[in-house]
Amino acid sequence: GQQVMQIPQYQHVQEGEDFTTYCNSSTTLSNIQWYKQRPGGHPVFLIQLVKSGEVKKQKRLTFQFGEAKKNSSLHITATQTTDVGTYFCAFSGGSYIPTFGRGTSLIVHP
Amino acid sequence: DAGVTQSPTHLIKTRGQQVTLRCSPKSGHDTVSWYQQALGQGPQFIFQYYEEEERQRGNFPDRFSGHQFPNYSSELNVNALLLGDSALYLCASRRGGGNEQFFGPGTRLTVL
Repeated sequence: GQQVMQIPQYQHVQEGEDFTTYCNSSTTLSNIQWYKQRPGGHPVFLIQLVKSGEVKKQKRLTFQFGEAKKNSSLHITATQTTDVGTYFCAFSGGSYIPTFGRGTSLIVHP
Repeated sequence: DAGVTQSPTHLIKTRGQQVTLRCSPKSGHDTVSWYQQALGQGPQFIFQYYEEEERQRGNFPDRFSGHQFPNYSSELNVNALLLGDSALYLCASRRGGGNEQFFGPGTRLTVL
């Protein structure tokens, strides 16, 4: 079935540096969602993108959906220690069953 | 307004036993989904309930079953537990037709 690959698996940054995680699919996605899961916590919905080339911003976070709707990215500007966690992308295919990627774990060093 | 709640928080069982996990959705939500999250992995969809019926099911064996009650709360039952069933079990709710899912804190199940 459809799957998404997330890279990198882990990312260490110094506080203040930027961070980007990528979500890639071999097939066209109808939508993409992003979630954040703090260590020991549960996933928290961040955003959903549905349009080709869509770009949305939430403060220091920028979400992008590729023109071909096969990839997406999440970029964080000037990371803070509160950004620590695992960021998951997920999509709902034709069967409406949500499928999550393996996530990118962000570690921010003060 | 309480969010999604789950009970118990932690559970330890032995192989072959049966377990029931419970979930109360966020107020106003009528659709409940269950996920299994193994360590270091993303959540894997088990099934979804709406109007007290299973509407969608992921790739999980029949040992995993569920129920939704008239008040929209839900249970996840797992029979004949295996060591590999050890995971964080997450419940998520949303309004029918809505996109945003709200996850509960999860139940950490350990099978010995």
